[in-house]
Amino acid sequence: GAGVSQSPSNKVTEKGKDVELRCDPISGHTALYWYRQSLGQGLEFLIYFQGNSAPDKSGLPSDRFSAERTGGSVSTLTIQRTQQEDSAVYLCASSLLGGGKQETQYFGPGTRLLVL
Amino acid sequence: EDQVTQSPEALRLQEGESSSLNCSYTVSGLRGLFWYRQDPGKGPEFLFTLYSAGEEKEKERLKATLTKKESFLHITAPKPEDSATYLCAVPPQGGSNYKLTFGKGTLLTVNP
Repeated sequence: GAGVSQSPSNKVTEKGKDVELRCDPISGHTALYWYRQSLGQGLEFLIYFQGNSAPDKSGLPSDRFSAERTGGSVSTLTIQRTQQEDSAVYLCASSLLGGGKQETQYFGPGTRLLVL
Repeated sequence: EDQVTQSPEALRLQEGESSSLNCSYTVSGLRGLFWYRQDPGKGPEFLFTLYSAGEEKEKERLKATLTKKESFLHITAPKPEDSATYLCAVPPQGGSNYKLTFGKGTLLTVNP
């Protein structure tokens, strides 16, 4: 596709429910990133995938958060037993190669998650 | 801990009134500084990458400059459509290249 796409664009859920957020990176990009943007805060790195390498999960805030990337393309971020503090915009980005010299990361429109 | 601080938090300009946004960072051995623009309800849109002190890049009414401690985003004769949040980001010192640390942004409003 022309850019990074994410779905759903908005998600309202009840506390304790599980949610899945989807990201389709730019075609041909091997690196994929998830960030979280909370109100009044900067973007917070969550997880990074690059090709077939083990993902860097160091930014995930708790074990309720997990992510996978199937076939080196689409990624799903799963939040189990959602809490109100999980309410935020979840942004996905992709870049051509990842690693090496810093590359430009291209962002999707985000998924706005509200936990009631 | 690496820090990126943007100032001011918010800036209100009249159309045509030039100004500058600041991004200061504490990372030494900078391996790139990125500027993004974010419109309400959208993801950040890439603007510029700067790699070394003294470097400058321009795009329409925007010019980004870099020193050893900070970067400026100069806006010349802004228009209402330049209203957005401007974000800067750097990779961490001595760490991976991909974990960008973002500032909280400057919310720019340009009034007609």
